[in-house]
Amino acid sequence: AIQMTQSPSSLSASVGDRVTITCRASQDIRKDLAWYQQKPGKAPKLLISAASTLQSGVPSRFSGSGSGTDFVLTISSLQPDDFAAYFCLQDSNFPNTFGQGTHLEI
Amino acid sequence: EVQLVESGGGLVQPGRSLRLSCVASGFKFDDYAMHWVRQAPGKGLEWVSGISWMRTLIGYADSVKGRFTISRDKAENSIYLQMNSLRTEDTALYYCAKGSRIGLVKGAYDYWGQGTLVTVSS
Repeated sequence: AIQMTQSPSSLSASVGDRVTITCRASQDIRKDLAWYQQKPGKAPKLLISAASTLQSGVPSRFSGSGSGTDFVLTISSLQPDDFAAYFCLQDSNFPNTFGQGTHLEI
Repeated sequence: EVQLVESGGGLVQPGRSLRLSCVASGFKFDDYAMHWVRQAPGKGLEWVSGISWMRTLIGYADSVKGRFTISRDKAENSIYLQMNSLRTEDTALYYCAKGSRIGLVKGAYDYWGQGTLVTVSS
């Protein structure tokens, strides 16, 4: 199975900061990588698919990049609503696999 | 409006079985892959199983292979997860999720249900 290594596991930041979260795949997954945001007690929300495609309604301060094995989620200017958990998902092959998650806190 | 509604969770003893259901609406069910994803209390997300639109491709996480079976019913617009030989480590909130790409297994999951809680304990 493809392993997804996500870092950091937690991150403290302030409103207005630029933050980056990375995911590394154990083998080439082309651009088959998605990013999710999850708030306590809620289902995950899809932010980015195919490594860099921003979903409709997601603020443009979110962006994704990368291909192959290395991927980055960037939030250009943190807003209060962005403090949450973030997960990457490789959907290239079964079994699909998630990264361990990043908890973004104030 | 796309809706996914899970049911069937509950408290079950180790070694017993449980069957989860997910009813889908608001989209052409036959066109999309569907998945089960779980989240243990306070933990991250774990993909459990997925099934292609024509049921030709099915996958399982190593942690559930041989114990869980995914299926889908076109007439009921539903997917199911038959869980046998349950273990305490299967305790989690189980989400149903919809694939985002027509006719493909690959692709992110764009809609999720609210989950059904499975607790495995004696």
